[in-house]
Amino acid sequence: DTEVTQTPKHLVMGMTNKKSLKCEQHMGHRAMYWYKQKAKKPPELMFVYSYEKLSINESVPSRFSPECPNSSLLNLHLHALQPEDSALYLCASSQAYSEVTEAFFGQGTRLTVV
Amino acid sequence: AQKITQTQPGMFVQEKEAVTLDCTYDTSDQSYGLFWYKQPSSGEMIFLIYQGSYDEQNATEGRYSLNFQKARKSANLVISASQLGDSAMYFCAMRGVVKGNKLVFGAGTILRVKS
Repeated sequence: DTEVTQTPKHLVMGMTNKKSLKCEQHMGHRAMYWYKQKAKKPPELMFVYSYEKLSINESVPSRFSPECPNSSLLNLHLHALQPEDSALYLCASSQAYSEVTEAFFGQGTRLTVV
Repeated sequence: AQKITQTQPGMFVQEKEAVTLDCTYDTSDQSYGLFWYKQPSSGEMIFLIYQGSYDEQNATEGRYSLNFQKARKSANLVISASQLGDSAMYFCAMRGVVKGNKLVFGAGTILRVKS
């Protein structure tokens, strides 16, 4: 099973709202990622968790707050977002961040900030 | 530096024909991995195929094969017997120590399969 599950699939939120994106994998992977993707562009890395610890933050604004409650789950908490934050948010996982192996992605959450 | 270049913004192919999507890369790493992903309009990023820098044989996965030419730093994706469901955006990507094992993507190629 190479499945990464993301919820919700679509989200519309106001600029004053607080919401969370969820990601789950049961492949025993120890690295998990959040990416942001604008239309017709490649994904941009936001965060990397390795063995449940935040390993990389690509200078992401603090209105995005990641959390890794356990090795299977990854959350992205959203607060006071701007319309330009509207995008497809992809979660991914791989065996370990130190290994040059493939990453498996979820279906993504299409976020619209109004 | 580590960079992926996909020079074909869009491609058309006739159903049942083969198509090659180009990818060149630049890296100073000795050990790296090359990947192809498919992204339909639904948004899901689907892993297709992987080639390790030390692999001597080209990777194959069903109708997908990766034409790996290390000296030329190219990793082209070949899709045989194209199907309408192959219409999607295709991204070439790589991972290597130089970029801290981050997955670096090319700009992508939109493939349209005609019936």
